[in-house]
Amino acid sequence: QKEVEQNSGPLSVPEGAIASLNCTYSDRVSQSFFWYRQYSGKSPELIMSIYSNGDKEDGRFTAQLNKASQYVSLLIRDSQPSDSATYLCAARARGSTLGRLYFGRGTQLTVWP
Amino acid sequence: EADIYQTPRYLVIGTGKKITLECSQTMGHDKMYWYQQDPGMELHLIHYSYGVNSTEKGDLSSESTVSRIRTEHFPLTLESARPSHTSQYLCASSELRQGRPYEQYFGPGTRLTVT
Repeated sequence: QKEVEQNSGPLSVPEGAIASLNCTYSDRVSQSFFWYRQYSGKSPELIMSIYSNGDKEDGRFTAQLNKASQYVSLLIRDSQPSDSATYLCAARARGSTLGRLYFGRGTQLTVWP
Repeated sequence: EADIYQTPRYLVIGTGKKITLECSQTMGHDKMYWYQQDPGMELHLIHYSYGVNSTEKGDLSSESTVSRIRTEHFPLTLESARPSHTSQYLCASSELRQGRPYEQYFGPGTRLTVT
């Protein structure tokens, strides 16, 4: 099993809907998780980080961490066409004090008007 | 917000040339990273550094080398460019910060084409 796995998508939702992106992880990562947004041809941009079990909300974004089931998700409420991008899930390597992250392959999201 | 810079943004160069991709950050982060990413593909860690004069190789077998002589500067060098090196190179930095540990911030990237 890879350290971080994402449902590859693509995911397509209408404007105003809730987009749900999921990520599972292995025992080789620690409890630090990150969601990045990457527009085509651009570099990844950090949008959420989550370190403890439960939900964390920031505007239209909610990150959810479930340690028992080893998954982390990102919900985007009131999706906008500008949210169309690839979303990368990342997790810190277990035991790494060097801040090394493992990245998933990304889920491509399209929000259509 | 991240203040991390990469130059050049785009580079087209012939096979066999030596190239250096520059990366600088003004945040005082002690950790820096180089990733390689092909279009539509995942990120691959090729080098990382945890401080001045401390570097490690990542997962992807790479013919590149790095140096970290100053905290803010982490250049990547290809001694002899080949078409297989054509890719996007992304630099990132992070620090162990109270409350927000290990968040990595990326530079804009360098898109390298070797002809």
